Amino acid sequence: EAQVTQNPRYLITVTGKKLTVTCSQNMNHEYMSWYRQDPGLGLRQIYYSMNVEVTDKGDVPEGYKVSRKEKRNFPLILESPSPNQTSLYFCASSLRMYEGDPYNEQFFGPGTRLTVL
Amino acid sequence: KQEVTQIPAALSVPEGENLVLNCSFTDSAIYNLQWFRQDPGKGLTSLLLIQSSQREQTSGRLNASLDKSSGRSTLYIAASQPGDSATYLCAVRDYGQNFVFGPGTRLSVLP
Repeated sequence: EAQVTQNPRYLITVTGKKLTVTCSQNMNHEYMSWYRQDPGLGLRQIYYSMNVEVTDKGDVPEGYKVSRKEKRNFPLILESPSPNQTSLYFCASSLRMYEGDPYNEQFFGPGTRLTVL
Repeated sequence: KQEVTQIPAALSVPEGENLVLNCSFTDSAIYNLQWFRQDPGKGLTSLLLIQSSQREQTSGRLNASLDKSSGRSTLYIAASQPGDSATYLCAVRDYGQNFVFGPGTRLSVLP
C-alpha cells in the first residue's frame, strides 16, 4: 500500500532530551516536507526537501533539523526540545514539485503528537 | 508573504444541502492549490489539486475552482452527507517554494 508513515505516533518527553521523529514513504517521491499544526495557527511548514541531500527551510525552522540521506526517509530532529515545540507534526511527500506537474499533489502521514514537558 | 484565509470558519448545514467553501490567497504567483479534509485527531486527506494553469477540478460530489488573478478558490460540495463533516483546508504552493495553509473551515452536516 502506498503510504507515508511516521513514528512514533505519540511521544511525551522532557525539555532538552534530543529526539527524532521518523518519516518514510514507499512511493519513490522526490519531495518531502514537515509541518506542525497548532490550534489557532493552523499548519505551518518547518522544512522541505526537493530530493536527496537537498533541504531547505520553511516558515518555522527554528529548533529543528532535518536530513535527507535516502529518498524514502526524511527524519525530523529536535536537538533540545522545548515546551513551545509541543504540537502535532505531519510529514508529507509528493512525486515531484514543479509548476504544472500533474504529480505535485502532496500526501500526508498520520501525524505525530509530541508533548514536551 | 503569502497569506491564506478561509471563509466561513465554521458551517453547519442539514443533510442534502449544496454548499460552498471559500479560500483566498494574497499572492497570485502560485504553482498549485490543494484542498484537504481533516477528521478530528487524524491526518490530512487530499481531495482535489488544481494546477496554476487550470480553472477547476471535479471528483464525485466535489468541485473546486481557481481564479488565480483574484486570489480565490471555492470548494463546492453537492448533496452534503453527515460523512462530509470534517475540517476542510486549502493550501497554496507559491514560488517561494513554500506551502501555505489556510486556517480551515469546520463543517458539520446534520442528519
